[in-house]
Amino acid sequence: SQTIHQWPATLVQPVGSPLSLECTVEGTSNPNLYWYRQAAGRGLQLLFYSVGIGQISSEVPQNLSASRPQDRQFILSSKKLLLSDSGFYLCAWSWAGRNSPLHFGNGTRLTVT
Amino acid sequence: DQQVKQNSPSLSVQEGRISILNCDYTNSMFDYFLWYKKYPAEGPTFLISISSIKDKNEDGRFTVFLNKSAKHLSLHIVPSQPGDSAVYFCAATYAGGTSYGKLTFGQGTILTVHP
Repeated sequence: SQTIHQWPATLVQPVGSPLSLECTVEGTSNPNLYWYRQAAGRGLQLLFYSVGIGQISSEVPQNLSASRPQDRQFILSSKKLLLSDSGFYLCAWSWAGRNSPLHFGNGTRLTVT
Repeated sequence: DQQVKQNSPSLSVQEGRISILNCDYTNSMFDYFLWYKKYPAEGPTFLISISSIKDKNEDGRFTVFLNKSAKHLSLHIVPSQPGDSAVYFCAATYAGGTSYGKLTFGQGTILTVHP
């Protein structure tokens, strides 16, 4: 079966500090990978998605970037965090090329102070 | 521009009764719709989906209805159980791009089922 791991679960970072959130998927190959964010009181918003190693598409302009150095690894980064980057970050995967739902990790609660 | 809307922030239901969660969308390109359930401090869990070629899909206690002309879908939970208490998100997507993973989510509805 497939599993998705995301860490850390919670993170408190000062403004201007860097960020690195990691996500890995097990039990599948060549998945589509996604980063979503849920800001306080709002729905989930797609930030990035990837259909293969080194292939990243950004959905909204922001202070964040994503990378996929390996087939089942997806990383969300920032060089300098802003207060507005606070939120709940979710990694997800889906089967490539199919009509299939997303499967989410347990998320990272990021608080920028 | 909120393309998927869940106009009820919360819903309270008695155990054993029916829970009906509603969702409206504006983008006529959407052709695949999903419902997710989310507990605090956890990621959303997929519940049920429906393609635009159908108007109903059922899985156990969960049934999703789609009214394309009204651009409206609903999730029925029968009978409701206290363990169903969670935030429910409606999501939509379309067959453009790479796959069906680029979802547009509603704001969520908090369901509370009282014993």
